[in-house]
Amino acid sequence: QSALTQPPSASGSPGQSVTISCTGTSSDVGAYNYVFWYQQHPGKAPKLMIYEVNKRPSGVPDRFSGSKSGSTASLTVSGLQAEDEADYYCSSYAGSNNLLFGGGTKLTVL
Amino acid sequence: EVQLLESGGGLVQTGGSLRLSCAASGFTFSIYAMRWVRQAPGKGLEWVSAISGSGFSTDYADSVKGRFTISRDNSKNTLYLQMNSLTVEDTAVYYCAKDRQPGTTFPYGMDVWGQGTTVTVSS
Repeated sequence: QSALTQPPSASGSPGQSVTISCTGTSSDVGAYNYVFWYQQHPGKAPKLMIYEVNKRPSGVPDRFSGSKSGSTASLTVSGLQAEDEADYYCSSYAGSNNLLFGGGTKLTVL
Repeated sequence: EVQLLESGGGLVQTGGSLRLSCAASGFTFSIYAMRWVRQAPGKGLEWVSAISGSGFSTDYADSVKGRFTISRDNSKNTLYLQMNSLTVEDTAVYYCAKDRQPGTTFPYGMDVWGQGTTVTVSS
């Protein structure tokens, strides 16, 4: 199975909102509400930001939100802050206990 | 404090083998599925393998099936990844990660990650 498709880069100024898309197929993103988003700062391990499309783990700011429409999931970061600059990866269940990742999006805070 | 600490990475030649370990602490290791995820230099994340809390159920990405074996020793709170027939495409940082909720290998999201261990396969 192919990786999920993300834009390689996204950017916004402090205080603005940015949305990152994650496009899959009817066999993964479109079929299941098990879409996840991870944040990764350079040289660090990934951090779970969103699970099951739109749920936030404890400790994740409510500036981060997730949604899904058809086979495309989205992560929106509102009120951008400097510390939000990082790589973001989407992930989706793809059946038969298989897990796919997107190629990652580098978010730049201008 | 919930913590995962990987070890065992290193430099190995094509066709060689390596065994990674991941020591867990701060949570009831035996009830959580665990996963290995890798990241090639400058590339994105790739799920490698998963194992249920009991160790009875395992899953593998097609890219490693038949070459890698995931296992765990719940008495030692340790996860393993035996990697055989290594190729240059296996060069990556390997992370172990804990599932967000107890259960099988069904992916519920990975809420705790180790710092990673680097595997370099040379030709």
